[in-house]
Amino acid sequence: NAGVTQTPKFRILKIGQSMTLQCTQDMNHNYMYWYRQDPGMGLKLIYYSVGAGITDKGEVPNGYNVSRSTTEDFPLRLELAAPSQTSVYFCASSYSEGGRAQPQHFGDGTRLSIL
Amino acid sequence: KQEVTQIPAALSVPEGENLVLNCSFTDSAIYNLQWFRQDPGKGLTSLLLIQSSQREQTSGRLNASLDKSSGRSTLYIAASQPGDSATYLCAPLLNFGNEKLTFGTGTRLTIIP
Repeated sequence: NAGVTQTPKFRILKIGQSMTLQCTQDMNHNYMYWYRQDPGMGLKLIYYSVGAGITDKGEVPNGYNVSRSTTEDFPLRLELAAPSQTSVYFCASSYSEGGRAQPQHFGDGTRLSIL
Repeated sequence: KQEVTQIPAALSVPEGENLVLNCSFTDSAIYNLQWFRQDPGKGLTSLLLIQSSQREQTSGRLNASLDKSSGRSTLYIAASQPGDSATYLCAPLLNFGNEKLTFGTGTRLTIIP
């Protein structure tokens, strides 16, 4: 059971370039999330999705876009990379139903540098 | 806005000792609280999830307690081992349905063999 898989693991971008961070999960979870983690800071929620076709903004959505066309996949897109987007990005998923939230499962992260 | 504080930021203890990690949060109207560990260069691993109606949750050598009214949670690790060395994060969930966890900055734990 692979869990949550993120690709790529590392990437260096130039300012103004665009890229898509991939995330897929094989646990049939309905909820998926994107976080960023900056040094010395807690994780901050960028976007989340409660099911295929439904997405919503988190705490720090500016400069990012997401889509959720399938249950398994939740890609994160950076359109115009800026140095402030240098960070470690984590994708997570969870299953929630019947008023009982379950633990979130995380991928190993994508380390992104914008130069 | 929920604020989460974890003190201390770093902790070193000899192997075999029992230890307590602290987490405090400003909004006590939480739905549940999760404790995670994060190894260097890795993602987060969920350790315990404690519902707002619970006072304690146990898994092996780990025990999490929750005092919602005072906005505090503790993670107790018994008989610490070098493999417990990691950063531990707590994350309360305010509302069921939007699943927006708020993370603390973590306690970096080092177990000295």
